[in-house]
Amino acid sequence: TQLLEQSPQFLSIQEGENLTVYCNSSSVFSSLQWYRQEPGEGPVLLVTVVTGGEVKKLKRLTFQFGDARKDSSLHITAAQPGDTGLYLCAGGNYDKVIFGPGTSLSVIP
Amino acid sequence: GAGVSQSPRYKVAKRGQDVALRCDPISGHVSLFWYQQALGQGPEFLTYFQNEAQLDKSGLPSDRFFAERPEGSVSTLKIQRTQQEDSAVYLCASSQGRGGYNEQFFGPGTRLTVL
Repeated sequence: TQLLEQSPQFLSIQEGENLTVYCNSSSVFSSLQWYRQEPGEGPVLLVTVVTGGEVKKLKRLTFQFGDARKDSSLHITAAQPGDTGLYLCAGGNYDKVIFGPGTSLSVIP
Repeated sequence: GAGVSQSPRYKVAKRGQDVALRCDPISGHVSLFWYQQALGQGPEFLTYFQNEAQLDKSGLPSDRFFAERPEGSVSTLKIQRTQQEDSAVYLCASSQGRGGYNEQFFGPGTRLTVL
């Protein structure tokens, strides 16, 4: 069974601080995606990483895929209240997508 | 709009009732996924369609759950004889390509409450 673990489960920080959240699996995935979900809405894709060791930047967000394609991290620089939400990683294969349990981030003004 | 839509947005059912949840994917999207999401948790995979073919239904919790996509567009998730543990948000997502590698576009979900 393929499983994804995320840590921390909850994170509450002050505006302007930096943070890193992690996604780990015992299995290799063909691709790994990060989504952000706000209450009452469906998840929205932030980034897809495919190649081991890949690093992608999206404004203040930096995503890294581990060399073995089993783990990933999301680093946010100078967090803003608008970054508040549930951050989900998802591993994709041909016929299914497995989501992690998420990291609930709260950025306090 | 041109996004994924789901109906109803909210559904309250008495235990034992049957319910049907509808998903209208983005036009032309080949892949369609259903997920179940408990409060504060990540979405749990239920089933995957590629056009009208149901390629994976390994996530359906029991034989009370049934999904179909007869013409390769609109999909319906049916739950028979609902139980309290079925209470959750049911999310539908579609993607342009085949497989789970591609960006998925999610609907807002249907919140099911079973009393």
